[in-house]
Amino acid sequence: EAGVTQSPTHLIKTRGQQATLRCSPISGHTSVYWYQQALGLGLQFLLWYDEGEERNRGNFPPRFSGRQFPNYSSELNVNALELEDSALYLCASSLGQGSNQPQHFGDGTRLSIL
Amino acid sequence: GNSVTQMEGPVTLSEEAFLTINCTYTATGYPSLFWYVQYPGEGLQLLLKATKADDKGSNKGFEATYRKETTSFHLEKGSVQVSDSAVYFCALRSPGAQKLVFGQGTRLTINP
Repeated sequence: EAGVTQSPTHLIKTRGQQATLRCSPISGHTSVYWYQQALGLGLQFLLWYDEGEERNRGNFPPRFSGRQFPNYSSELNVNALELEDSALYLCASSLGQGSNQPQHFGDGTRLSIL
Repeated sequence: GNSVTQMEGPVTLSEEAFLTINCTYTATGYPSLFWYVQYPGEGLQLLLKATKADDKGSNKGFEATYRKETTSFHLEKGSVQVSDSAVYFCALRSPGAQKLVFGQGTRLTINP
């Protein structure tokens, strides 16, 4: 069974540009989560999508947005990139909404802002 | 709010040593608790989980017991290997919530 896959592996942008990160969940998983792992800030929850809808978002500005497609894959878009957006962005998926359903993570997209 | 506190790293041990990484949490109700491991250049892998008090999660020789009375979920392994070198994250997920709340991570290095 394929795990969570993310693309691209690395992404280099400059300030003010826009970035799009992609995630394919494990087959059968309907919930997709995005987390930011920035140096010194740990892992922070960004967004949760389920059945095509944004269900919850963390404490991030509106320039962080995304969507979930009918096949449950997801995109994270970051507009007006800032230097502090440099981080590893991790996508996770789970079977459902139960709190005991573990989230399975991809290997991440490393976003570097020059 | 909910939070997770892990012992500060980095932790350096010799091969075959006993490992404990402390994790305590603050949460309302009965959260589910998880340990994830991150190897260099990779994402997070679920190591083990426990969903109710006194549950013991175990995997690959690692164990952790959900202790409601001390709000703890300490990770232990009886004999570590060089291949266990990684960053370990403790996390919780509250009932009805979807996001994981992570501790700051503990970097573990095992020397041969």
